[in-house]
Amino acid sequence: EAQVTQNPRYLITVTGKKLTVTCSQNMNHEYMSWYRQDPGLGLRQIYYSMNVEVTDKGDVPEGYKVSRKEKRNFPLILESPSPNQTSLYFCASSWTLAGDTQYFGPGTRLTVL
Amino acid sequence: AQKVTQAQTEISVVEKEDVTLDCVYETRDTTYYLFWYKQPPSGELVFLIRRNSFDEQNEISGRYSWNFQKSTSSFNFTITASQVVDSAVYFCALTPDSGSARQLTFGSGTQLTVLP
Repeated sequence: EAQVTQNPRYLITVTGKKLTVTCSQNMNHEYMSWYRQDPGLGLRQIYYSMNVEVTDKGDVPEGYKVSRKEKRNFPLILESPSPNQTSLYFCASSWTLAGDTQYFGPGTRLTVL
Repeated sequence: AQKVTQAQTEISVVEKEDVTLDCVYETRDTTYYLFWYKQPPSGELVFLIRRNSFDEQNEISGRYSWNFQKSTSSFNFTITASQVVDSAVYFCALTPDSGSARQLTFGSGTQLTVLP
């Protein structure tokens, strides 16, 4: 089954404790992206990757890191989480971006205390 | 810069009523794609439709229909004979149809509640 998976689905952590949210897709997509969803703001892009070893900032990259060492995986790293990073995070993938439908993971709800 | 506006923050209807969700967009690109996604209470994002700016024909899929009006930069979504299971947040989104595309630009979403 074609899918995007994220882990963990739920996470409660404390300020400053490094964490990684994993994202994996099995569709051989080139493009992957991370979004955060906050009430009243829709989804905002954090980082994206056009292919292996090619990543770039989205609209809200501060406080986040990513890497793309393999085509299928695109982890999101919070080196020192803060309460304003409490949010719902989505990973997405598509063949490319120009017009291709993005498929989203199930979401990771992160709470930073 | 692109922008997607969903002016209706929340809509509440009674089951079997028809409801239209509005989406207005701004873009400088001559060709682009528009999308609608559904986010049910369980939280996942479900793809509903993708429309290229060249194709201005309206589309119907069961109880769902979409009205694309390039002249008014709108891509509205109508649910006919709404059901309780249609209760969700609905997002409209936009991306350029070019190699320079980098992201989907989302609207802020419309929370639809269908009451029994």
